[in-house]
Amino acid sequence: KQEVTQIPAALSVPEGENLVLNCSFTDSAIYNLQWFRQDPGKGLTSLLLIQSSQREQTSGRLNASLDKSSGRSTLYIAASQPGDSATYLCAVPMDSSYKLIFGSGTRLLVRP
Amino acid sequence: DAGVIQSPRHEVTEMGQEVTLRCKPISGHNSLFWYRQTMMRGLELLIYFNNNVPIDDSGMPEDRFSAKMPNASFSTLKIQPSEPRDSAVYFCASAGTGVEQYFGPGTRLTVT
Repeated sequence: KQEVTQIPAALSVPEGENLVLNCSFTDSAIYNLQWFRQDPGKGLTSLLLIQSSQREQTSGRLNASLDKSSGRSTLYIAASQPGDSATYLCAVPMDSSYKLIFGSGTRLLVRP
Repeated sequence: DAGVIQSPRHEVTEMGQEVTLRCKPISGHNSLFWYRQTMMRGLELLIYFNNNVPIDDSGMPEDRFSAKMPNASFSTLKIQPSEPRDSAVYFCASAGTGVEQYFGPGTRLTVT
């Protein structure tokens, strides 16, 4: 059974700092991994999707890496801003289906 | 595109009442998902439709929950009768030919 874990559960950093969020999964036979952002009281916004054949994906100040063999993914945020404050979730599909298994998220606070 | 549309955004009802949540997926998407988010259990997939057909409803908690997708542009999630433990945020998401899921803003349900 696939389990997805995110560490830390919460993170507080000063503005401008670079930071890394971690995601681990127990079954390395994944097809892709998706990172989402959730603002309080809002839905999820897809940030990056990494296919199993890829090692990383970049979008602006965000860089996501994937290491299937070790069951890990990281989301790197460069030069953090207060507007980055949100909960970040990672998710992997069960088998080859669309059925996403979510981690519990990392709640990020970027202090001005 | 307007994205995934959900209604209502907030619903407060009394225990025992019927609740119907509505979702309009992104036009052209052929997969639709209903999720539930709670503090205790995080995000859980309830049911997954592909081309309007329910493919996997193993996440539906009880017979009190039912979902329909009468056409490609509309889906409902019904709870009858509702109970206080059903209080949660319910998200609808859709996906096209790619695997990336796009989430709606959610419906916050409170059952008193």
